[in-house]
Order: sequence, then structure tokens, then C-alpha cells
Amino acid sequence: DTGVSQDPRHKITKRGQNVTFRCDPISEHNRLYWYRQTLGQGPEFLTYFQNEAQLEKSRLLSDRFSAERPKGSFSTLEIQRTEQGDSAMYLCASSLRETRSYNEQFFGPGTRLTVL
Amino acid sequence: KNEVEQSPQNLTAQEGEFITINCSYSVGISALHWLQQHPGGGIVSLFMLSSGKKKHGRLIATINIQEKHSSLHITASHPRDSAVYICAVIEARQGGGADGLTFGKGTHLIIQP
Repeated sequence: DTGVSQDPRHKITKRGQNVTFRCDPISEHNRLYWYRQTLGQGPEFLTYFQNEAQLEKSRLLSDRFSAERPKGSFSTLEIQRTEQGDSAMYLCASSLRETRSYNEQFFGPGTRLTVL
Repeated sequence: KNEVEQSPQNLTAQEGEFITINCSYSVGISALHWLQQHPGGGIVSLFMLSSGKKKHGRLIATINIQEKHSSLHITASHPRDSAVYICAVIEARQGGGADGLTFGKGTHLIIQP
């Protein structure tokens, strides 16, 4: 399967615990995006990477959130001291940034986080 | 910030009906995605367009850049088309820059047999 993959698909945790999600983009894609989707809403942009550089972070990304893409391939999103409001679907997408072209994004299946 | 509005929010139709979902946005864009999301969360990109019209099977997407409006049409709808359809835009920025998507809230479509 050459699509975007995410792990785990589901995570249930207790409030106050730390969680980490992983995203593996399509192999040749140099841009990787994280989005969050709460129930009944459209996704919201969190952050994105071009190769290993994190180029933009949304104000939604509080200090408890950190994302990395150390080798420019897979990425991790960590949430520290989880809160019930962090319960959401976390979506990853990737794209190939080329000059003069629009960056169609391809989405992974998402990680559904439930904080009890 | 771009405001992306979709209508209707919910739509129930009978199998075979012609479906139209609308999307409007407030700020100039580079491109617009139409996305399909099934229960369980996975998102599939249906179209990305910046002008005119695209067709894929029974799906047609149109965009009017001047009016800041796009439509997604489904011809001969089928129960398997039941899903949430989401419009998402990439803002036009001078010099390039981030192209994180701004999403609408989605249209929940149910096609009854």
C-alpha cells in the first residue's frame, strides 16, 4: 500500500496521560500536514512540514502539542497532559511540493483519540 | 482567514436523484478540494480544481473564481454515495507559503434506496 498511513487508528487514554501518533506519508512527498477534526465539524489545520522543517503552526497547537519530522519522512504528533477537549480525529496528509503546481493533498485514515 | 461555507448541511435524497452541494468562500484561493469522508473518518480527495469544471464518473465539480463559489454534482445517485462531502480551499498567497487547507463543515448526504 503506497498511501498515507497512520498509527494507531484508535487510542483511548486517561486525562493527564501523554500520547503519540505516527504518520507515514507517501514516500516521495516532501510536505506533511496535521489536521484535527472534532465531531460534526470539518477538519482544522494544525501544522505542516516541508521535509524536516516545521514551517507553520496553527494557534490551535497549544504548548502541550509537539510535532516532529526528524528525517523528513514519517512524522509524530505528541500530546502531553491530555485533556478531554483533545478528543478528536487526528488526520495526516501529504503532498508533493512542486513549483508552479498546486499541492493536492492525500489523506491518511486518521487516528481517533478518546480522552476519558 | 478564509470562511468556507457549505450548503446544505444535511441532504437526504432518493436513489437516482441529481445531487448538488454548494461551497462558497470569502478570500481568493489557489485551488479548491472536494473531499469525501465515510464513517470511520478516512478522507478521499475527489477533485482539486482552480478553474472551470472537472468530471470523474458520476461526479462533476465546477468552480467560479470570480464569484468565489464551487459546486459538486452527483448524477444518478446511489446509496454508496452516502458520505460527508467536504469543501476545502488553499488560499492564494503572494510568494507561496503555507498551503494548509481551510475546510467547510461538510455536507452529510444520505441516499435512500
